[in-house]
Amino acid sequence: GESVGLHLPTLSVQEGDNSIINCAYSNSASDYFIWYKQESGKGPQFIIDIRSNMDKRQGQRVTVLLNKTVKHLSLQIAATQPGDSAVYFCARGDTNQAGTALIFGKGTTLSVSS
Amino acid sequence: DGGITQSPKYLFRKEGQNVTLSCEQNLNHDAMYWYRQDPGQGLRLIYYSQIVNDFQKGDIAEGYSVSREKKESFPLTVTSAQKNPTAFYLCASSPGRGGYGYTFGSGTRLTVV
Repeated sequence: GESVGLHLPTLSVQEGDNSIINCAYSNSASDYFIWYKQESGKGPQFIIDIRSNMDKRQGQRVTVLLNKTVKHLSLQIAATQPGDSAVYFCARGDTNQAGTALIFGKGTTLSVSS
Repeated sequence: DGGITQSPKYLFRKEGQNVTLSCEQNLNHDAMYWYRQDPGQGLRLIYYSQIVNDFQKGDIAEGYSVSREKKESFPLTVTSAQKNPTAFYLCASSPGRGGYGYTFGSGTRLTVV
């Protein structure tokens, strides 16, 4: 079936740096994309989402960019903090079929050193 | 507070036994989902349900079964037919049609001993 993949399994940054986590997808019918953060032993937490009619959306310290031409999205975290250390997942869905399941990528582990 | 509760947090199963993982939500969500997570892997869909008394297989449904007799509850049974059941299991719910808005439970870690 369709899948959502991430480019790198791990990313290490220094505290205060900006982090960029990438994700590629193959299903051009997807029109809804979400980033989740998962800390060890816990369930994923929503970070930010974006619909396909947008190419950028900003939250608090986070920005999601969507490039539909190359089927790529990224999560940018500004001024990365130790508390940002976690596994980050992208997921895609089809809002025309809300209630069907999101498809998740494999995740990128972000490690922030002080 | 509204939320989604998974129990138990840790579960040990002997080979050949069936076990049932509980998932309860009080968010009045129509849709519920079960995912499996293995180390270094993303979340893989086992089963999902959009309404009561209806559910669909996900990508890795073999060896699992579910029921949706109540809107609030979506238990997952890991049967003896599941050859490699040791994993972290996540339950989620969403409003269903009209929005995704997944809320995840805190997970159940199942270990076969």
